Amino acid sequence: SYVLTQPPSVSVAPGQTAKITCGGNNIGSKSVNWYQQKSGQAPVLVVHDDSDRPSGIPERFSGSNSGNAASLAISTVEAGDEADYYCQVWDSRGDHWVFGGGTKLTVL
Amino acid sequence: QVQLVESGGGVVQPGRSLRLSCAASGFTFSSYAMHWVRQAPGKGLEWVAVISYDGSNKYYADSVKGRFTISRDNSKNTLYMEVNSLRTDDTALYYCARVMVDLGVAATNDAFVMWGQGTMVTVTS
Repeated sequence: SYVLTQPPSVSVAPGQTAKITCGGNNIGSKSVNWYQQKSGQAPVLVVHDDSDRPSGIPERFSGSNSGNAASLAISTVEAGDEADYYCQVWDSRGDHWVFGGGTKLTVL
Repeated sequence: QVQLVESGGGVVQPGRSLRLSCAASGFTFSSYAMHWVRQAPGKGLEWVAVISYDGSNKYYADSVKGRFTISRDNSKNTLYMEVNSLRTDDTALYYCARVMVDLGVAATNDAFVMWGQGTMVTVTS
C-alpha cells in the first residue's frame, strides 16, 4: 500500500515561514491535499490539488508537489497556525485514501 | 446551515457491534460521495471507507474490510457505518466527511472539504 511520510514536528518563530514536507514514491504524479487540525477540533482542508486553496483559507498557505515530495508552506506564521497538519492522496491502484502520519507545527 | 452531525458512538465490548450515523444538512446530500475517517486517541487520521452518491460503489480500508459496512439513505440525508466484530484497536473518534465536488463517484482524488465533529467509539472489556 502507498505510504506518506511526514516529519513528526516542525517549529518556527512567529512571522517566519514554516515548511512541512510529505514524502511518497513518485508523489508528484498524484494530487495532494493538506488538512489542518487544531487541538480538539475536526480537520480543515487548507490546500487541495497540490496548490489550490479553498475559499476562506489565507494566501499565507501554499502547496507544491514534485518528484517524491510535496510540501505545505505557511508564510508569516501566527500563533493561531499551531496545529497538526496532514497530507493526503488517493491511491488509485487500490482505491484507498491515504493520510500521512501528521506533523505538529509549534510556533515558538 | 451546512453541516454534518455524527452520532451512534459509545462504549462497547470486543466483538460487539454499533451503527454510526451522519446526518447531513444544507446541501444536496444525494449528489456527493461520502467518507468515514477515524482517529485513535492521540494518533493520526486514518481513512476508513467511501460510498458513491447512489450507494452503488463502496471501498474500504484493509483494516476494516469484512467487518464494517458503509451505506446511505438519500431520502433521509444520512450516511451510516455498521461496525461489527469490534476490536480494541477500533477505538477512535469517527468522522464523516464530504468531498468537494458533486461528481458523485466514489473513486476520485477529490479532497474532503466538510467534516463533522465526530462520534467516539470505545472498545473495551
